[in-house]
Order: sequence, then C-alpha cells, then structure tokens
Amino acid sequence: GAGVSQSPSNKVTEKGKDVELRCDPISGHTALYWYRQSLGQGLEFLIYFQGNSAPDKSGLPSDRFSAERTGGSVSTLTIQRTQQEDSAVYLCASSLMGQGSGNTIYFGEGSWLTVV
Amino acid sequence: GDSVTQMEGPVTLSEEAFLTINCTYTATGYPSLFWYVQYPGEGLQLLLKATKADDKGSNKGFEATYRKETTSFHLEKGSVQVSDSAVYFCALRPWNFNKFYFGSGTKLNVKP
Repeated sequence: GAGVSQSPSNKVTEKGKDVELRCDPISGHTALYWYRQSLGQGLEFLIYFQGNSAPDKSGLPSDRFSAERTGGSVSTLTIQRTQQEDSAVYLCASSLMGQGSGNTIYFGEGSWLTVV
Repeated sequence: GDSVTQMEGPVTLSEEAFLTINCTYTATGYPSLFWYVQYPGEGLQLLLKATKADDKGSNKGFEATYRKETTSFHLEKGSVQVSDSAVYFCALRPWNFNKFYFGSGTKLNVKP
C-alpha cells in the first residue's frame, strides 16, 4: 500500500484480556519496527524485524508481549493478559534495508490501546 | 551504545520567534540523522534528514546541520508559526545497522 497501515486504530479492552495489533508495512520494505508511546512520553522501542534474520526483541517489556511477522510482510503484536500500564499508542514503522544509505523509517498512524 | 539526547520541553514561543531544539548523539562511525514531527492527533512524519557530516537537512523552513565535531544535529527555524506546534523527535540510524534510535521528544507550543 501507499503507507504503513495499522489496525485497529482504537481498542478498548478489559484488564486481563489478550489483544492483537496488526501492521501492514509499505510494500517492498523488509524492515519492520514496533514502538510504544505512552501519554506524553517519547518512543519506546519494542521489537525489530529485519528481512529473514531473527528479530531483535530486546525492547519487549515482559513475556506477555510477543510479535510475529508472516511471509516477510504483515506483522502482529500480541499482548497477553493486558494490564492498565499497557495503555499506550502502539506505533508500527517500516523501512528499506541497506547500510549507510540513510534510509528513512515511515510510521503508521498507530493503534491506541486503552486497558480498563 | 548508540543514543540520542534532546532538550526537554515544553518549549513555548511567540509567533515569529526563532527556534532552536538541541539534539546530540552518541554513535560510532557516521550515522544518518533525522528529525521527525508529530502534530496533535497525528502520526510521526519525517521532517528532514542528513546522511553525512556537514550536510544540512531542510524542509518547511526548518534546518539542521550534521556536526560531527560536536556530535550534534540541532533543529532551527527562523520564524515559527502557530501551526508548528507539535512534538519534535531527533533520531539516528547507525551506519552499519538498520535500527533507529529516538530521543525523548520536545514539545513546542507557539502562541499567537
């Protein structure tokens, strides 16, 4: 597609429920990122997929968080047993791969998650 | 490790004032440097970038120069408008790695 597409745009869930957030990157972009932005806060790195390499999961805050990327394109971020502190905007981004090329990262509109 | 530090906000200015938002970085080699902007209720979008030392990125009246000697990439605009009110994020991409590092963001409020 023309840009990074995320769904749902808004999600309200009860504490303890599982949620899935979807990201469809820009066509041809082999790098995909998930970030989290809490109210009034900066960007917190969560996970990074680079082509067929093993993902960099170093930013996932707990084992309740997981992500997968099927077929090198669409990605799903899953949060199990949601907690109120998980409430945030979850941002997906994608970019081309390539070293030293100054490739730009393009963001989706985000998925606003509210845990009540 | 690689990181970005930017001045804390919020920054409040009157319309037509001069703007500087400081950004410094830590990285090996020659990273690419970026400024992203997030307008109220919108997603992050690229404002400008520079890929090598002494390059100047510019867009919408904003400028930033890649200074290797001071490891800085300060954002400037000569005359801000109310419509520039947003959160600005400085970011870097290492020369040999495709992961992006973001600063904590600086909120700019421009008053008429």
